[in-house]
Amino acid sequence: GENVEQHPSTLSVQEGDSAVIKCTYSDSASNYFPWYKQELGKGPQLIIDIRSNVGEKKDQRIAVTLNKTAKHFSLHITETQPEDSAVYFCAAADTAYGNKLVFGAGTILRVKS
Amino acid sequence: GAGVSQSPRYKVAKRGQDVALRCDPISGHVSLFWYQQALGQGPEFLTYFQNEAQLDKSGLPSDRFFAERPEGSVSTLKIQRTQQEDSAVYLCASSQGQSNEKLFFGSGTQLSVL
Repeated sequence: GENVEQHPSTLSVQEGDSAVIKCTYSDSASNYFPWYKQELGKGPQLIIDIRSNVGEKKDQRIAVTLNKTAKHFSLHITETQPEDSAVYFCAAADTAYGNKLVFGAGTILRVKS
Repeated sequence: GAGVSQSPRYKVAKRGQDVALRCDPISGHVSLFWYQQALGQGPEFLTYFQNEAQLDKSGLPSDRFFAERPEGSVSTLKIQRTQQEDSAVYLCASSQGQSNEKLFFGSGTQLSVL
């Protein structure tokens, strides 16, 4: 089955700096890669997703890149703000087979002001 | 409703008790998922419904776990004879289509088994 590894487990950045979180996956059949943000006491919230036919996707300060050959994808947050502090999870799925999203273990992002 | 609603928000159970966790998905959402999230970990898939049909229950850890969605809207996750290792946050998510794309999660039920 699919296995998703995520790093770093914690990341501290200064307000205004960029943050990068990286994930690798094992199943070459995976074709859908979402990123979720989870704040304390809340459920994960989708912030951006990418499908395997696209190499990069951007939404304001957030971007995701995908390298299918190397089986890794990354989340980039620019101009970080204190409200970006949260736990971020990557996930992967083969949408043609079953409906199971496999999540990474998460990255705690702290933005220091 | 405005979002996915889960109740209760917190549940404390004595070992051996049965518990029932409720999920109200976003109105009209076809797909409904249950995930289990241990402290400091990512969510792990438990089961998936498309309308009232349970299409995948491969993630349920044992036969003590049972889920239903009889009318294709509200879903209940039941855990019989709870054990300490069942302590976790149980998340419900729904999506508009027949896939796991663009899931909307509830805030979860935090279950503590003493």
